[in-house]
Amino acid sequence: NAGVMQNPRHLVRRRGQEARLRCSPMKGHSHVYWYRQLPEEGLKFMVYLQKENIIDESGMPKERFSAEFPKEGPSILRIQQVVRGDSAAYFCASSPLDNEQFFGPGTRLTVL
Amino acid sequence: QQQVKQSPQSLIVQKGGISIINCAYENTAFDYFPWYQQFPGKGPALLIAIRPDVSEKKEGRFTISFNKSAKQFSLHIMDSQPGDSATYFCAASSYMQGAQKLVFGQGTRLTINP
Repeated sequence: NAGVMQNPRHLVRRRGQEARLRCSPMKGHSHVYWYRQLPEEGLKFMVYLQKENIIDESGMPKERFSAEFPKEGPSILRIQQVVRGDSAAYFCASSPLDNEQFFGPGTRLTVL
Repeated sequence: QQQVKQSPQSLIVQKGGISIINCAYENTAFDYFPWYQQFPGKGPALLIAIRPDVSEKKEGRFTISFNKSAKQFSLHIMDSQPGDSATYFCAASSYMQGAQKLVFGQGTRLTINP
């Protein structure tokens, strides 16, 4: 039973480019959460999705960031026109219907 | 009110000793309190979790103590081993509007000296 998968593991972008991060939840999980971790800090909630629906995006910046979880395929976190302050580790977690969230290995985004 | 405060930031313990990490919260709506362990370059892994209807939960060498009136909870690692060296995060959440979003503490970097 494969765990939560994220790719790419490392992503380097220049300022102004787009970053696209992918998350495949565990088999049977239909809930996906995205979190951002800045260096030496805890994780901060960004967005919660179920299949084809954004349930809570209260932690996501209003501009440049978007997320989706289509009926088929992985969940995608998209950051347009990246800036240096977007450099961070981005984690997704998947969950069945109860509380427990299982985290992926993360994507480490570096903006040059 | 959504914050979870964690202490200490870093902790050094001798092998075989007890490691204790503390967290405090303000939001009384929180009803789920997990602890996560994170190794460098990896994602957080759930260690142990507790709900406020019990004051203590033990799994192997890991114990959560929970004080509802003080709004505090702590992680105790008994017989600490070098392999326990990692960053530990406490978290809290409540089920609101269909979401169980976790609020994390700042993390504690634990080093176990052999």
